[in-house]
Amino acid sequence: EAGVVQSPRYKIIEKKQPVAFWCNPISGHNTLYWYLQNLGQGPELLIRYENEEAVDDSQLPKDRFSAERLKGVDSTLKIQPAELGDSAVYLCASLLPDREINYGYTFGSGTRLTVV
Amino acid sequence: QQQVKQSPQSLIVQKGGIPIINCAYENTAFDYFPWYQQFPGKGPALLIAIRPDVSEKKEGRFTISFNKSAKQFSLHIMDSQPGDSATYFCAASNSNTGNQFYFGTGTSLTVIP
Repeated sequence: EAGVVQSPRYKIIEKKQPVAFWCNPISGHNTLYWYLQNLGQGPELLIRYENEEAVDDSQLPKDRFSAERLKGVDSTLKIQPAELGDSAVYLCASLLPDREINYGYTFGSGTRLTVV
Repeated sequence: QQQVKQSPQSLIVQKGGIPIINCAYENTAFDYFPWYQQFPGKGPALLIAIRPDVSEKKEGRFTISFNKSAKQFSLHIMDSQPGDSATYFCAASNSNTGNQFYFGTGTSLTVIP
């Protein structure tokens, strides 16, 4: 099992430029999450997908952030235009629904964004 | 508003010691409390989790203690090793509302050989 795959691992862009992050969740995991992790902080939810539907995007700053999951598998998170305060790690996670024993997200390694 | 409050922010222990990390929550609708371990440059990895119908859960050297009345839970690491040096996050979720996890602010643990 490959796990949750994210790319790129690192991205440095100038402010006001666009940027996109890509996530491939674990095969068969219908629920996908994008989280934002600021330095020294815990992850905070941006958006949750059930298959291709964004069922919770209440915490996504929609003026500059957008996301899609067209076929219910891979997902892309975009920022346009990026601001200095967007510098953070963007984490993708999919849900391991093993409720009988233990369940929780499987996170990818994240994309570290630096806006200069 | 921080839904889950975590302390301490950092912790240093000697090898073999028992670091304890504490978390507190207010929302009584939370019904699942996982702990995540994160190494630099990696995403958080699920370590152990507990539901409020039990007061303690052990998996290997990791133990969660849960106090439902106090709305607090803690992680204990027995016989800590240098390889346990990482950042630990507690979290809480309500399985009836989409499994959004609310994370604590993290504890940076250093285990000195």
